[in-house]
Parts: sequence; structure tokens; C-alpha cells
Amino acid sequence: QKEVEQDPGPLSVPEGAIVSLNCTYSNSAFQYFMWYRQYSRKGPELLMYTYSSGNKEDGRFTAQVDKSSKYISLFIRDSQPSDSATYLCASKGAYNQGGKLIFGQGTELSVKP
Amino acid sequence: DAGVTQSPTHLIKTRGQQVTLRCSPKSGHDTVSWYQQALGQGPQFIFQYYEEEERQRGNFPDRFSGHQFPNYSSELNVNALLLGDSALYLCASSFISPSLNTEAFFGQGTRLTVV
Repeated sequence: QKEVEQDPGPLSVPEGAIVSLNCTYSNSAFQYFMWYRQYSRKGPELLMYTYSSGNKEDGRFTAQVDKSSKYISLFIRDSQPSDSATYLCASKGAYNQGGKLIFGQGTELSVKP
Repeated sequence: DAGVTQSPTHLIKTRGQQVTLRCSPKSGHDTVSWYQQALGQGPQFIFQYYEEEERQRGNFPDRFSGHQFPNYSSELNVNALLLGDSALYLCASSFISPSLNTEAFFGQGTRLTVV
């Protein structure tokens, strides 16, 4: 079993739709959770960075972490064609466990005009 | 403020050859991590360098080695290249502090093709 599981998609939605992207993880030691956006042939770009459980909002993006169910979500409101990319969730443990990020496979999102 | 920069952007090598990839971290960052991303997969952690030492290593063979310089820049070396080493190699930088656990920022990557 992979430590972080993510549905690879692809996911196709119309412009303006609310997008829900999800990951599950298995390692209870994970405390930090991230979402990266990766355009084709580019490096990952950090979107959201959260610690422990709860919600974090930044513009059209909301990240949710539920540690009780080991579930990570990213919501995109009013999706735009420019949001078309691969979205990667990642997790890591506490500081004293090192900085190694464990990534999911990535979900490919396409937002159609 | 320059972000994480990697060179070269693309590289084609022959099986059995050796390759060196380079990374300059984001200004103010002192830690560099390397990842391998195969097509259609998430990045896989290779190793992390801090204070010029390898601090953590993923499940990669000894053919993969690295170095960090006093200016925090880093190199990734891969010996005896295999076709399966073809991938996007990503460098990520961050700042290690006893009281902080900072985000990692990625460079644009080096796309290595082994033929």
C-alpha cells in the first residue's frame, strides 16, 4: 500500500464548476499536508500548506485535512481553464522526522471553457 | 528574488554513462532535496542535503549520489545510467529551523532521457 493514495483521473469539468480533489494517507505520523499544482513539463508549484487537521482558505482554493480519517481534500471554486493542470497532494512527518515529502500520484484536471 | 534554479533543462544520455544535475536553492534556503518524477507519477524522494551532508535518503541505489556546496547549491550525480532512469529530476529547497518546518519550493526540473 502506498503511503499517499490519489485518484489519477483524468477529471474534466466545465468552467465555473467547483472541483474536489482528494487523497488518503496511511502514516499516522504525517503532520504537514500540501497541495502542489504542476503544469505540463514544469516543476510543482506550492498551492496550500497546512498543519494537522482543519481548513485553510486562499482565494478560490480551500484545503481540508481530517486526521481522524486520514483524508486530504482540495476544493477549487469558480474553476478556470487556467486551473487545468496536475494536482499533487503531499505529506510529511514532524520536523524531527526529516523533510521527506511523500506524494500521491497526481490528479490531472481539465477545465473546459 | 530568484526561485529554485536547475540546470540543464534537458539532457540526453546513453546507457552506462554518468550525469550531473545542478540546483541553486531559493534565496535564504539552506536545505536541498532531490526527487525523481517518472511520467504520470508523483515525485519520489531521492535524498536531502543540509550543512553539506546527506541527512535523509529514499529508496534509491548507490548509483545516485549528491553533494552540497558551502553556498547551499547542490549536485545530483547518477552513474551507470539505465533506461529506467529517464525521468524529470526535481530539486526542492527549504529552510531548516529548530522551531519551523517550512514549505519546500521546487525548481522547473531537468528532463533526463536515457537512450
